[in-house]
Amino acid sequence: DIVMTQSPDSLAVSLGERATINCKSSQSLLFSSNNRNSLVWYQQKPGQPPRLLISWASTRESGVPDRFSGSGSGTDFSLTISSLQAEDVAVYYCQQYYTSPTTFGQGTKVEIK
Amino acid sequence: EVQLLESGGGLVQPGGSLRLSCAASGFTFTNYGMSWVRQAPGKGLEWISAINSGRLYYADSVKGRFTISRDNSKDTLYLQMDSLRAEDTAVYYCAKEVMGYGYFDYWGQGTLATVSS
Repeated sequence: DIVMTQSPDSLAVSLGERATINCKSSQSLLFSSNNRNSLVWYQQKPGQPPRLLISWASTRESGVPDRFSGSGSGTDFSLTISSLQAEDVAVYYCQQYYTSPTTFGQGTKVEIK
Repeated sequence: EVQLLESGGGLVQPGGSLRLSCAASGFTFTNYGMSWVRQAPGKGLEWISAINSGRLYYADSVKGRFTISRDNSKDTLYLQMDSLRAEDTAVYYCAKEVMGYGYFDYWGQGTLATVSS
């Protein structure tokens, strides 16, 4: 199985500042058929299910604020919140769908400093 | 509007069984693969089972104990959970797969299954 490792486990960022979460996969997630990386990011707030933020490593879903962006390729990926807002406090997960079984990172908790 | 509503969770003793249901609406259910993903208290997300085009998939942690199925006439997904263990205690989410790919664009609110004596 592909192992997904996120870092850090938690981070505290001041309102309006940048937050960056990293996700590393144990093998490349690059689909040769479309030259895209099979990685998504979810946001999960307390007591709620996960919400899909970004697919294909960098494609923002409809309705997701543009302060959220995804980047990376191969085995190293990042989710950046350019200007942290109070409503962004949550746990963020990466997930690979390159191969079965799909696997998730352990999650990164984002808090306000 | 896509909606997924899970039910069937509860308290069960080790070795017991539960059957979870997920009622879907707002999309053509038969056209999409569906999965169950669980989350133990205070822990991360774990994919456990999927059903897509009649094919069934299971995580090693539940293989042989859990059975996924669907009734397309009722737009409902099921998870039969047998031989339950304490480590199966979790919130169980059903999730709609993005067509052709193994990630999820809609999730239910989840149902809590607690395995304890």
